[in-house]
Amino acid sequence: EDKVVQSPLSLVVHEGDTVTLNCSYEVTNFRSLLWYKQEKKAPTFLFMLTSSGIEKKSGRLSSILDKKELFSILNITATQTGDSAVYLCAVYNNNDMRFGAGTRLTVKP
Amino acid sequence: DGGITQSPKYLFRKEGQNVTLSCEQNLNHDAMYWYRQDPGQGLRLIYYSQIVNDFQKGDIAEGYSVSREKKESFPLTVTSAQKNPTAFYLCASSMVRGSYNEQFFGPGTRLTVL
Repeated sequence: EDKVVQSPLSLVVHEGDTVTLNCSYEVTNFRSLLWYKQEKKAPTFLFMLTSSGIEKKSGRLSSILDKKELFSILNITATQTGDSAVYLCAVYNNNDMRFGAGTRLTVKP
Repeated sequence: DGGITQSPKYLFRKEGQNVTLSCEQNLNHDAMYWYRQDPGQGLRLIYYSQIVNDFQKGDIAEGYSVSREKKESFPLTVTSAQKNPTAFYLCASSMVRGSYNEQFFGPGTRLTVL
């Protein structure tokens, strides 16, 4: 059965810390892995990864995919209170997107 | 502005009633999706549609129904057969081309059954 597992489920850090969020998956016909940030309502897109070993970067956020070991990580450096959110990992196969349960990140001042 | 809209934002219904949630997109996307989100859980797929007049069940389709008569619209009906309908419902759309499948989400509808 296809599954996407995120860890940790929740994380509390202080401003300025660096965090690493994990996403492992077992999905048939893998096409791409996506990271979303969900604050109060709809998730907003962060990254899409299709190839192993190529880091995607946007400001303080970066992500990389390992298709051999079937996981991805999302790094956030110099965290700010505005980074507090649920971070969702999703894996797309031929037909649909399967989401992990999310990691709830809380950044304290 | 291009985007995806859902209505209503909040919805209350009595047990035993059917209710329809609206989802419209003007992004010219072929594919549309309905997800359900419960507290502390990820998104679970209810139904998806890759093309007009065609749709497939997701992981938790029981108690729900959909239609796709127009490319822009993908309404979801929560029927009285759905045992635990109280949840946050998200609609999404995407282009369907190769491995690229960024999904754009609507703002969501929070359904509460009284």
